[in-house]
Amino acid sequence: KQEVTQIPAALSVPEGENLVLNCSFTDSAIYNLQWFRQDPGKGLTSLLLIQSSQREQTSGRLNASLDKSSGRSTLYIAASQPGDSATYLCAVSTGANSKLTFGKGITLSVRP
Amino acid sequence: NAGVTQTPKFQVLKTGQSMTLQCAQDMNHEYMSWYRQDPGMGLRLIHYSVGAGITDQGEVPNGYNVSRSTTEDFPLRLLSAAPSQTSVYFCASSPDQGRTNYGYTFGSGTRLTVV
Repeated sequence: KQEVTQIPAALSVPEGENLVLNCSFTDSAIYNLQWFRQDPGKGLTSLLLIQSSQREQTSGRLNASLDKSSGRSTLYIAASQPGDSATYLCAVSTGANSKLTFGKGITLSVRP
Repeated sequence: NAGVTQTPKFQVLKTGQSMTLQCAQDMNHEYMSWYRQDPGMGLRLIHYSVGAGITDQGEVPNGYNVSRSTTEDFPLRLLSAAPSQTSVYFCASSPDQGRTNYGYTFGSGTRLTVV
C-alpha cells in the first residue's frame, strides 16, 4: 500500500527565505507526483506535476524535484512571501487505477 | 471552461437524512473521483469512476453510493447521514487517470456537517 509522508506538519519562516518542503513515498512505481496548494477553507490548486520519467519541474519561484528510486520529492520555494502562506500537499499516482495518495500536508506560515 | 464544479458549498444534515453531493466537469475527462478531507487524516478516496457506467470503491466507501450515467457528472449519495460523515468533500477529474501530464483537477469542495 502506498504511503506518503510530509514532515514537518508545520513550518514558520521569515519573509524572503528560500525554503524546501519534503515529501516521501513508499512505493516507487508511480506514474507521477503532484504538488498542490490549499488555502484555509478552500479547494486544492495544482502547482506542479512531475512525470515519473522527469527529474524536476519549474513554475516561477517554485521548483519541484523527484527522485523516484529513493521515494522522495522536494518543493523549493524561492524568496518566500507572506502570500505563500498555505498548506502544501504532495500526492502520487500509483496502481492499476492510478489512485492518488496524499500526504497530510505541510502548513507554511511566512512572517512579514 | 468552468473546470470541476461542486454543489452545494455548505450543507447541514440531521442524522439519518440522505442527500446527494453534485459534481460536474466540462473538460470531457473520463476519470472522476471523490475524496473526503478530515483533520489529521488527510484526503482519502471514497469512490472513483474510469468512465460512464463504471464505478469502483476507494479506501473509505461505506455509507456512500455513486453512479456515473454521463461523462460530465459524478454525484455522491449519502444514504443515511451519520456524524462520522462530517467532513469536507472534494471531487476531482483527470483525462487519463493521472498518468500523464494533466494530473488531477479538483473542485472547490463541499463542507458537510451532520448533527
